[in-house]
Amino acid sequence: DIQMTQSPSTLSASVGDRVTITCRASQSISTWLAWYQQRPGKAPKLLIYKASTLQSGVPSRFSGSGSGTEFTLTISSLQPDDFAAYYCQQYNNFPLTFGGGTKVEIK
Amino acid sequence: EVQVLESGGGLVQPGGSLRLSCAASGFTFRSYAMSWVRQAPGKGLEWVSHIKDSGGNTYYTDSVRGRFTISRDNSKNTLYLQMNSLRAEDTAVYYCAKARDMAAYNFDCWGQGTLVTVSS
Repeated sequence: DIQMTQSPSTLSASVGDRVTITCRASQSISTWLAWYQQRPGKAPKLLIYKASTLQSGVPSRFSGSGSGTEFTLTISSLQPDDFAAYYCQQYNNFPLTFGGGTKVEIK
Repeated sequence: EVQVLESGGGLVQPGGSLRLSCAASGFTFRSYAMSWVRQAPGKGLEWVSHIKDSGGNTYYTDSVRGRFTISRDNSKNTLYLQMNSLRAEDTAVYYCAKARDMAAYNFDCWGQGTLVTVSS
């Protein structure tokens, strides 16, 4: 199984900050990686797929990069709505696996 | 509007069974693969099971293989998860999720989730 490791697990930041979350795969997954946002008590929401493609309707302050085993999600200027948990997911093969999550908190 | 809506969760004793349903609307259900993803209280997301559009191919995480069965009825636009021999560690919110396209298994539509609690 492919293990997905996210860092940090918690991040404290202020509105307007640039934020970067890292996701590492235990083996190469090419660009078969998605990022999700989950607000408390809500379902996950797809932000980015194929490592860097922005899902329709997602603000352009979100961006993704990487390939192989190392990936990043960047929020260029943190907004109040962005305080949430973020998960990466590999879909290179089954079993599909998620990272452990990164909680973005208000500083 | 593309939507999926789960139902069927509840409290069940260890060793018991439960069947979850997921009603889909707003898209051509028979053309999309679907998954179940769960989230234990206070924990992260865990993929559980996946079924391709025709229903002919199914996949499971190791911890549920042999106990859970995913299926779909494309005539009813409904996805199912039959859960047998339930354990305390199966306690979670179960989400139904629609694959974004036919070739790649990331998920662009999620339901609100249904809570399954396994406890005596």
